[in-house]
Amino acid sequence: GENVEQHPSTLSVQEGDSAVIKCTYSDSASNYFPWYKQELGKRPQLIIDIRSNVGEKKDQRIAVTLNKTAKHFSLHITETQPEDSAVYFCAAIGTASKLTFGTGTRLQVTL
Amino acid sequence: NAGVMQNPRHLVRRRGQEARLRCSPMKGHSHVYWYRQLPEEGLKFMVYLQKENIIDESGMPKERFSAEFPKEGPSILRIQQVVRGDSAAYFCASSPQAGAEETQYFGPGTRLLVL
Repeated sequence: GENVEQHPSTLSVQEGDSAVIKCTYSDSASNYFPWYKQELGKRPQLIIDIRSNVGEKKDQRIAVTLNKTAKHFSLHITETQPEDSAVYFCAAIGTASKLTFGTGTRLQVTL
Repeated sequence: NAGVMQNPRHLVRRRGQEARLRCSPMKGHSHVYWYRQLPEEGLKFMVYLQKENIIDESGMPKERFSAEFPKEGPSILRIQQVVRGDSAAYFCASSPQAGAEETQYFGPGTRLLVL
């Protein structure tokens, strides 16, 4: 089955700096890669996703890149703000319809 | 345009009791997925259902856990004879169609505490 690894597990940046979270996946048939943000005690919320026929996607301060050859995908947050502090999960969907999640990155944006 | 609904939001059970968790998908969505999140961990897939059918239950423990999505009403995740290790947040998600590229939208979760 699919296996998703995520790094780093914790990330602390100063307000205004950029944050990058990286994931790798194992199933070469995977073709959909969403990113979720989860605040304490809340539901995972989809913030951006990318499909396999696209190499990069951007939505305001958030961008995701995908390298299918290397089976890597990354989340980039620019001009970070305190409200970006949360746990971020990458995920992949392979041959089945179930999401396989990474282990999460706890992002702390300090003033 | 209500999102995915789950109830109860919090559930406390004593060891040996039954826990019943409900999930109503978004309007127009006929595919439901259940995930479990242990404290300080990521989400793990449990089961994928369509109306009246279990499509993939590869993540469900073999005993005590069952799920259904009847023709009418919400999807239900049932845990019999709960143990302390069942304490977790249980999230359901829904999507409008099948397929590996369909976005899944999550409900607020049910936080189960087993005493």
